[in-house]
Amino acid sequence: DVKVTQSSRYLVKRTGEKVFLECVQDMDHENMFWYRQDPGLGLRLIYFSYDVKMKEKGDIPEGYSVSREKKERFSLILESASTNQTSMYLCASNLGGTGGLNEQFFGPGTRLTVL
Amino acid sequence: AQSVTQPDIHITVSEGASLELRCNYSYGATPYLFWYVQSPGQGLQLLLKYFSGDTLVQGIKGFEAEFKRSQSSFNLRKPSVHWSDAAEYFCAVGAGNAGNMLTFGGGTRLMVKP
Repeated sequence: DVKVTQSSRYLVKRTGEKVFLECVQDMDHENMFWYRQDPGLGLRLIYFSYDVKMKEKGDIPEGYSVSREKKERFSLILESASTNQTSMYLCASNLGGTGGLNEQFFGPGTRLTVL
Repeated sequence: AQSVTQPDIHITVSEGASLELRCNYSYGATPYLFWYVQSPGQGLQLLLKYFSGDTLVQGIKGFEAEFKRSQSSFNLRKPSVHWSDAAEYFCAVGAGNAGNMLTFGGGTRLMVKP
């Protein structure tokens, strides 16, 4: 089974802090994704990486950056956390390609609270 | 740009009753369509997906969905709901980058009455 793990289930940070959220997948997937989940808004894509060191902005990239130095690891960075970034953050990965290959596998999420 | 609408934020059904969750999408080309389920405290799990071919798609846990191009809909159904089906359900459309970039609906929270 594909496993996507996230470094923390719960995280509390202060406004202005730099925050790192880590995600690791163990199935040699090409693509990795970061989403944020808010009630009533569903999941919104923050960033997408299709290869090591390659990234593409999603729908809401403002206030976030990402890093993918190794294929299995994808980090989400909040350079200066703000209270409006309090949310659930979900990481996902998939094999890439087209057709039946683009099912995304999700991690359990990190609930981030910014005070 | 693509979009997905799930008109029902909350639905409550009795155990053993049938279920239909609505999903409408907006996308210019043939869409990749997905239904995911999120149980409390869990990540999302894929229930089923549609790319082409038969418009009635079977998934896991007894769920099915029907793609109707004329109505831009991809509704999820189950003939008999179990208490363990209580969860949040998300419809998604895959668009950019060969369908890999998903746009999700706002979700429908399902509650099951005993």
